[in-house]
Amino acid sequence: AQTVTQSQPEMSVQEAETVTLSCTYDTSENNYYLFWYKQPPSRQMILVIRQEAYKQQNATENRFSVNFQKAAKSFSLKISDSQLGDTAMYFCAFIYAYGQNFVFGPGTRLSVLP
Amino acid sequence: SQTIHQWPATLVQPVGSPLSLECTVEGTSNPNLYWYRQAAGRGLQLLFYSVGIGQISSEVPQNLSASRPQDRQFILSSKKLLLSDSGFYLCAWSVLDYPYEQYFGPGTRLTVT
Repeated sequence: AQTVTQSQPEMSVQEAETVTLSCTYDTSENNYYLFWYKQPPSRQMILVIRQEAYKQQNATENRFSVNFQKAAKSFSLKISDSQLGDTAMYFCAFIYAYGQNFVFGPGTRLSVLP
Repeated sequence: SQTIHQWPATLVQPVGSPLSLECTVEGTSNPNLYWYRQAAGRGLQLLFYSVGIGQISSEVPQNLSASRPQDRQFILSSKKLLLSDSGFYLCAWSVLDYPYEQYFGPGTRLTVT
C-alpha cells in the first residue's frame, strides 16, 4: 500500500524568507499525481500545487514550487517570500492516476513569523 | 463557478445519538463526491466516495454510512455515534473523469460527548 511521510511536524520561517517542506512517498506504480494542500486555521483545504508523475518539469505556482525527484520518491514544497498568510498546516498527498483514494501525509505545521 | 457547501459547521452530539451531515455541490453535474475524516493533528482519511446517484464505495469499515440521493447531494450518517467518531469531516468533489483534482468543502467539526 502507498504511504506518504512528512518528517517535519512543525516548522517556522521569518516573513519574506524561503522555506522548504519535505515529503516522501512509497509506491510501486508509475502513473500518479502528487499534491500539496494548505489548511489554514479556518480548516478549509486549499490546493496549493499539483505535479503529474509523468512530467519531469517541476510544477510552479507563483511563490510555490516543488522539487520532484521521482527515483527518490521525494516531493518537497518550496515557499519563497513567505507571507503571514502562509501560516497553515501543509499536507502532501498522493493519488493514482485512475484511483479515487487520496493518501495524505500527517502534515507539517508552518508558522510564518513577523 | 462551482461551490461546495457543508452543514452544520459544528455539531456536538452524545454517544449513541444519530448523525446526519450534508454536503451539496453547485455549478457542476455528475461530480464524484467524497467524505473524508480528519482526526486531531492528523491527515485526511477517505471514508466514502460516490461516482453517481446511489453508488457508494466504502474505504474503511466503520460505524458510518453514506448516501447520495441526488446528483449533487452527499450525506454522511450514523445510527449510533461512538466517541471515536469525533473529528473534522470534509466533503470534496471532483470532475467525473479527473478524480485526482478534488475540491474541498469548509468541513464539519463533530464532537461526540
